[in-house]
Amino acid sequence: DAGVIQSPRHEVTEMGQEVTLRCKPISGHNSLFWYRQTMMRGLELLIYFNNNVPIDDSGMPEDRFSAKMPNASFSTLKIQPSEPRDSAVYFCASRETGSSQPQHFGDGTRLSIL
Amino acid sequence: AQSVTQPDIHITVSEGASLELRCNYSYGATPYLFWYVQSPGQGLQLLLKYFSGDTLVQGIKGFEAEFKRSQSSFNLRKPSVHWSDAAEYFCAVAADILTGGGNKLTFGTGTQLKVEL
Repeated sequence: DAGVIQSPRHEVTEMGQEVTLRCKPISGHNSLFWYRQTMMRGLELLIYFNNNVPIDDSGMPEDRFSAKMPNASFSTLKIQPSEPRDSAVYFCASRETGSSQPQHFGDGTRLSIL
Repeated sequence: AQSVTQPDIHITVSEGASLELRCNYSYGATPYLFWYVQSPGQGLQLLLKYFSGDTLVQGIKGFEAEFKRSQSSFNLRKPSVHWSDAAEYFCAVAADILTGGGNKLTFGTGTQLKVEL
């Protein structure tokens, strides 16, 4: 079975540009999570969706960040405008319904803002 | 709110030696506990999980973990480490939030394991 698929794997762009990260969760998973990983702050939960509905976006750093989940098989995380401090690895994870179910992670998108 | 502490940032062991990675959690009720491993350039892979029942849980790659409620701990162990086990290990706790069906995973800061040949 395919796991969580993220694209692109690497993104390098100049500050001020719009960045869109994409995620395809595992089929049948009802919850989707976006994380950011940096050396300084570790793994941070940005936002999560349940049945395509955003449940908690309190981790989104600021208004420059937005996330959507138009259907059960696709989600995007957008940064506009991007800044150098947004450079990080962004992970998407999905999970079946149920708090005891583990989250399955994609391989991440390594984002560098110059 | 729940929290997770991994007191060891780096650990170095010799190949073939035993390993124990420490994890302490803070949560009022019975938590759901997970250990993940992250190899360079990759996402997090689930090693094992605990949510009820036997307090000693077996995972993949020969890892096990023991839940000790009295110590609020969920330490990860392996009797004999292989060079391929070098990676970063994360402990995580999930709270059972009744509303919305969703919940957050709170991660520890991770322990970087180095294996000497």
